[in-house]
Amino acid sequence: DARVTQTPRHKVTEMGQEVTMRCQPILGHNTVFWYRQTMMQGLELLAYFRNRAPLDDSGMPKDRFSAEMPDATLATLKIQPSEPRDSAVYFCASGLLRAEQFFGPGTRLTVL
Amino acid sequence: GENVEQHPSTLSVQEGDSAVIKCTYSDSASNYFPWYKQELGKGPQLIIDIRSNVGEKKDQRIAVTLNKTAKHFSLHITETQPEDSAVYFCAASLSNYQLIWGAGTKLIIKP
Repeated sequence: DARVTQTPRHKVTEMGQEVTMRCQPILGHNTVFWYRQTMMQGLELLAYFRNRAPLDDSGMPKDRFSAEMPDATLATLKIQPSEPRDSAVYFCASGLLRAEQFFGPGTRLTVL
Repeated sequence: GENVEQHPSTLSVQEGDSAVIKCTYSDSASNYFPWYKQELGKGPQLIIDIRSNVGEKKDQRIAVTLNKTAKHFSLHITETQPEDSAVYFCAASLSNYQLIWGAGTKLIIKP
């Protein structure tokens, strides 16, 4: 059955390194969301796209984070340079306008 | 902007009993209220949702009620089972599709 896939599932890196997380949304979905989940902050929306166009990335630290959709089958979230406070689980979700968001399994990022 | 508060943060109930989780929202223009369940190591998954033109919706053992006047909505789980143990999130949405999330409730079902 159709599901959102994310890679990698786990990432351990050192402070200052670049991290790229990838997401394949469900085919046919026109909205893509990036969330960050921590114990302290819960689910934070970082960015979302509709029809591959970024509509809101106000939740993202602009100096180090960037999100793109190079095509309809791939969304990327990049952190450069990474910092220990970026350690969290990053979720990608996709959906259709005004409907359910389908979440991927997440990428657990640890920055040492 | 919209703000969603969720209570309690942790709820422990005996298996077979009912569980109720409550959320309040601040923007009266919000018109869509989903509930998501997150199991350990997985992403959240939609379990039930309600739109502002409906007061109550049921799906087997789960139900959601909405009070637009008071701006609160609740999740009700009856006859709780061990597999109901998870973190539950409420959310609210305006006419766009961006969800404003509650902080989550960890539901523990005691055998």
